[in-house]
Amino acid sequence: DAGVIQSPRHEVTEMGQEVTLRCKPISGHDYLFWYRQTMMRGLELLIYFNNNVPIDDSGMPEDRFSAKMPNASFSTLKIQPSEPRDSAVYFCASSSQGGDYEQYFGPGTRLTVT
Amino acid sequence: SQQGEEDPQALSIQEGENATMNCSYKTSINNLQWYRQNSGRGLVHLILIRSNEREKHSGRLRVTLDTSKKSSSLLITASRAADTASYFCATDERDDKIIFGKGTRLHILP
Repeated sequence: DAGVIQSPRHEVTEMGQEVTLRCKPISGHDYLFWYRQTMMRGLELLIYFNNNVPIDDSGMPEDRFSAKMPNASFSTLKIQPSEPRDSAVYFCASSSQGGDYEQYFGPGTRLTVT
Repeated sequence: SQQGEEDPQALSIQEGENATMNCSYKTSINNLQWYRQNSGRGLVHLILIRSNEREKHSGRLRVTLDTSKKSSSLLITASRAADTASYFCATDERDDKIIFGKGTRLHILP
């Protein structure tokens, strides 16, 4: 298996632009997680899905952030409009047994908003 | 909310020495996990220890858990340059969520 796949790996955009991050989880994994990592705040859970259904989005910072999982093999995290404080590394992770078991992380997307 | 806190924040040791990192948490848990993150990469799961276990081994890794003190330690024996990374503990919370600490940055000196 190729593991969790994220695209793009790097994204540089200007403030106000829409940003879409993509994730393909490991086949057969029913749980998908989106995290954001910054030096100041560490690794934060933004939202997670079980069987394509959003279960907990309490970590989504504000309405500018949205996430979808239209099918078991694809999820997106969208920021519209983007702001400089959104600059971070965004990780997608998947799990077969739930969030409190082993999670497999993708390589991350480094987002820079200027 | 942050559950686990790693200590120390940074650690530098000579290659071949043992490295010990600690994690303290606040509320009761079902299990605790340790992850490694190499620079510029995603996190990699190392080991999971359940609340009814006191010690677990995986290769050169040894994890202990003391639920009475709400703490865990990760020991890496005979460290190698490739062990240079950040190490995170993660504790389970309700509803299938785990919370990561801010990590310990380990640097193995040649």
